[in-house]
Amino acid sequence: GAVVSQHPSRVICKSGTSVKIECRSLDFQATTMFWYRQFPKQSLMLMATSNEGSKATYEQGVEKDKFLINHASLTLSTLTVTSAHPEDSSFYICSARDLGVAKNIQYFGAGTRLSVL
Amino acid sequence: GQNIDQPTEMTATEGAIVQINCTYQTSGFNGLFWYQQHAGEAPTFLSYNVLDGLEEKGRFSSFLSRSKGYSYLLLKELQMKDSASYLCAVRDQWAGAGSYQLTFGKGTKLSVIP
Repeated sequence: GAVVSQHPSRVICKSGTSVKIECRSLDFQATTMFWYRQFPKQSLMLMATSNEGSKATYEQGVEKDKFLINHASLTLSTLTVTSAHPEDSSFYICSARDLGVAKNIQYFGAGTRLSVL
Repeated sequence: GQNIDQPTEMTATEGAIVQINCTYQTSGFNGLFWYQQHAGEAPTFLSYNVLDGLEEKGRFSSFLSRSKGYSYLLLKELQMKDSASYLCAVRDQWAGAGSYQLTFGKGTKLSVIP
């Protein structure tokens, strides 16, 4: 299946710092990528939809000024957690759809575990 | 709104068969997915149904009834490595740029015991 690469896999940072997470589609182009957050024992919650060349669409309750999304190319989207605080500690997962495949399957990156001290 | 229900936990014996059910009520429907997620890892794609009926793929099968808002994932010949969470996800809302959103259920944690 298609490959989605996400880096870094784990981040430990001090409160108040910013953290940047990259999501790349390695063998297909993705005009749309999705960013999810998952707290322990909870399901994936969609944070925002990243659209190449335009502004991201944020879900209700997600602060767009805190979670900056940039989708500068058809293979790269970045999520920056600005001024991270302990409550932002979570598992962040990106996803992209391979529109070249009939089923439009959505593939996931390996996730980034963020721990804010 | 969207509402996707699946059991929280299930336990089954190695070599046995287990069925994980999923019911959904969504504002739109454009396919149902099952994903497997091991602890601390990202979900991996298992199956996709958009029409009613059964899709078989090796030890895994998935069934869909759109009129009933119901799906199940069937795992045969269970192996210890099948212990994981299984997520039911419905593709519903239009996200623009040729794409729909996936709404996930809370997942079913399956424990396979010897």
